[in-house]
Amino acid sequence: GAGVSQSPRYKVAKRGQDVALRCDPISGHVSLFWYQQALGQGPEFLTYFQNEAQLDKSGLPSDRFFAERPEGSVSTLKIQRTQQEDSAVYLCASSLTFPGQGQSYGYTFGSGTRLTVV
Amino acid sequence: QKEVEQDPGPLSVPEGAIVSLNCTYSNSAFQYFMWYRQYSRKGPELLMYTYSSGNKEDGRFTAQVDKSSKYISLFIRDSQPSDSATYLCAMSGDYGQNFVFGPGTRLSVLP
Repeated sequence: GAGVSQSPRYKVAKRGQDVALRCDPISGHVSLFWYQQALGQGPEFLTYFQNEAQLDKSGLPSDRFFAERPEGSVSTLKIQRTQQEDSAVYLCASSLTFPGQGQSYGYTFGSGTRLTVV
Repeated sequence: QKEVEQDPGPLSVPEGAIVSLNCTYSNSAFQYFMWYRQYSRKGPELLMYTYSSGNKEDGRFTAQVDKSSKYISLFIRDSQPSDSATYLCAMSGDYGQNFVFGPGTRLSVLP
């Protein structure tokens, strides 16, 4: 597709429910990132994939958060036993290049999934 | 102290004004600097990208990086109401795998 597609756009979950958020990156993009954006704040890094390899998951806030990208394209962010503090917009971004290549590389972000835990 | 600081605003200016947006940072390893624009309920959109120190101009936008002061700026000339959005600075180390974002500055350009 022309851009990064995320689904669902909105998700309301009861506390304790499991949720799965999907990201379809731009075709051929090597790098894929997940960010969490709380209201009124900048995005905060969660995890990074280069193709199917998860190279950095240092930003995942707890072991309730899990991400995968099994075939190096679509990625899923799963949150188990959701808590109210998980309420945020979850942004996915992809890039044609990967960090360290020493050339201009910007992320293309999706519009995000707004998760509300009630 | 956060790694990247940015005045959250809101900043209101009249149409046609020159806007100056700024970020300061504490990590001297940062080499890549970006400015993103984010409209309400949308993902951030890349505006400007700069590597290391210096200036970069693109149309009405100019990005400046002063690594000695750990200070970056975005200038918007002839601001338009359509520029009303939140502006996020982001930066990364030389071999960083993720960007650290500032909290964003809300800008309103009044017609």
